[in-house]
Amino acid sequence: DAKTTQPPSMDCAEGRAANLPCNHSTISGNEYVYWYRQIHSQGPQYIIHGLKNNETNEMASLIITEDRKSSTLILPHATLRDTAVYYCIVRAGGSYIPTFGRGTSLIVHP
Amino acid sequence: EADIYQTPRYLVIGTGKKITLECSQTMGHDKMYWYQQDPGMELHLIHYSYGVNSTEKGDLSSESTVSRIRTEHFPLTLESARPSHTSQYLCASSEKGSGKLFFGSGTQLSVL
Repeated sequence: DAKTTQPPSMDCAEGRAANLPCNHSTISGNEYVYWYRQIHSQGPQYIIHGLKNNETNEMASLIITEDRKSSTLILPHATLRDTAVYYCIVRAGGSYIPTFGRGTSLIVHP
Repeated sequence: EADIYQTPRYLVIGTGKKITLECSQTMGHDKMYWYQQDPGMELHLIHYSYGVNSTEKGDLSSESTVSRIRTEHFPLTLESARPSHTSQYLCASSEKGSGKLFFGSGTQLSVL
């Protein structure tokens, strides 16, 4: 599976958009990009995933560049409850074993 | 909404005791996983299973063992707990062929 690179920390003002980047320059054509978040001391929670098209759901939007080497998770109106560690994971199907890195610690401040 | 449960939520136990951390899911998922996570650190995969009677060790060496006798149940056992086993243990499951994981709330284990 392709490796991902994320900034260790970011901060954002409440009500503003939070844009979390992820680099996955070695991604293969059949690998999806998944995003999870982990609020302090809880299990990670799935947010969104995509292959090549941009995706949106009730939690966030996922923008994948045309060459698929990077992506951005967008929380359009961040709230204090969005303070968490966000993980970007690239995976293929079959016998994929999910591997989580350090992620990005997002702090939303008032 | 995910239906995956871990018990106990918190466990404080003395050195040398045998413990079993429970994990159950009601979604009929084939794949199940155990991760270990220290505060502020990344998740490390310690065990996984592709289905009944299938168990594999993960990337991080662990003295724990697991079993998968039923699809919905994936308990983790430590025969003799030590202070170095103090950590948070997270259980997860996923459908076959899917990368979408559902996590339990975790068990915070403290070994004195």
